[in-house]
This record gives sequence, structure tokens and C-alpha cells, in this order.
Amino acid sequence: GNSVTQMEGPVTLSEEAFLTINCTYTATGYPSLFWYVQYPGEGLQLLLKATKADDKGSNKGFEATYRKETTSFHLEKGSVQVSDSAVYFCALTGTSYGKLTFGQGTILTVHP
Amino acid sequence: DSGVTQTPKHLITATGQRVTLRCSPRSGDLSVYWYQQSLDQGLQFLIQYYNGEERAKGNILERFSAQQFPDLHSELNLSSLELGDSALYFCASSVVGQTYEQYFGPGTRLTVT
Repeated sequence: GNSVTQMEGPVTLSEEAFLTINCTYTATGYPSLFWYVQYPGEGLQLLLKATKADDKGSNKGFEATYRKETTSFHLEKGSVQVSDSAVYFCALTGTSYGKLTFGQGTILTVHP
Repeated sequence: DSGVTQTPKHLITATGQRVTLRCSPRSGDLSVYWYQQSLDQGLQFLIQYYNGEERAKGNILERFSAQQFPDLHSELNLSSLELGDSALYFCASSVVGQTYEQYFGPGTRLTVT
């Protein structure tokens, strides 16, 4: 079945540091890939998505590129802010009517 | 605000009891998904409905059931509750299809004592 593996956390950075959160996946066919973010006490918000190989999703300074050859969708941001502190989830949908398969989540803490 | 509403926000109940969680999807979305978030299992897909009909099932226990009504709101029923059912339950809605993003509600935090 489908699966998503994220880098182990938590990740702690200083403000303005570069962020990478690794995500790799296993899926049959051609999944769509997503990054969701969960702020403390809130639901999940879609951060960005990519629906085919070599697509780059981007939003709020975050980027991720759909790499089919390495089955990866790593999240990057050039300069993080304290307000980016949250839990980040990599996810995919396969062919089964769009249900999401999530990675385990990565806690990001950014210090001033 | 995603446009997806869930009630109640918090629920505390005892083992053996039954509860109902409610979800209203975004206007125009026909598909509703239920997910469970717990510390040990992470985020797990439970069940999906599309326009009133069950479309896909995940790791949903037999003690749990759901339905989607003609006005498209959905309810998740949890019965014979156990301590291990304590979790955050999220509802999401979308236009159907794998390329369409899902919009999540704020969740219902269930505590079973």
C-alpha cells in the first residue's frame, strides 16, 4: 500500500535559518503530493501541493518539488520565522478516491 | 478559516459510552473524509463519503460508523468507547478526485475516561 516517510524530528532552528524537511513516499501509479501544516491547537492547513512529476509547489516562501526518480517531496524554506513553528505533514493521495496517507509529522520550532 | 465546521470542539465521556461527532463540509464540496489523530498512530484515514454514499474505508473499527446526510453534513458515531479511542477526530471536505486538496475542520478532541 501507499506510505509516506518524513525525517525524524523535532527540528529546532534560529530565525532566518534555512529549512529542509525530508519526505519520501511509496505509491503505485501517479500520486498527488501535499504538505500540510498544523499550528498548535488548530486543524490542518494545506501549505502546498504538486500533482505530477517535476511540478514545484510553493506558498508563503515554502517550496517542494515532486521528484519521481527519487520518490521524494522535500519541503524547503530559505529563511524561517518564529511564526513558522508548527507541525508539518507530508501526504499523498493515490487512486482511491483521494484519501490522504500522511507521514508521521515533523515538529518545527524556530527561536528568535 | 477553512469553511469546514465540526462540533463539538471537545468531548469528555466514559468508557462504554457512545458519542456522535458532526461535520459540515465547505459549500459545494460533495466529499467528506474522517481522520483520527493520535500520538501512537499519527493521522489515519477512517472513512470517506461522497454525496451520501460510502466511497472508501480505512482503518475504521467496527464500533465506529458514519453517514452523510442529504444536506451533505456528516456524522461519525463512536460506540462502546475505550480509553484508546481518545484522540483528535478531523473531518475534511473536497471536490472529489485525487488532485484536489482537502480542507480540514478544526477537529473534535475526544477524551475517554
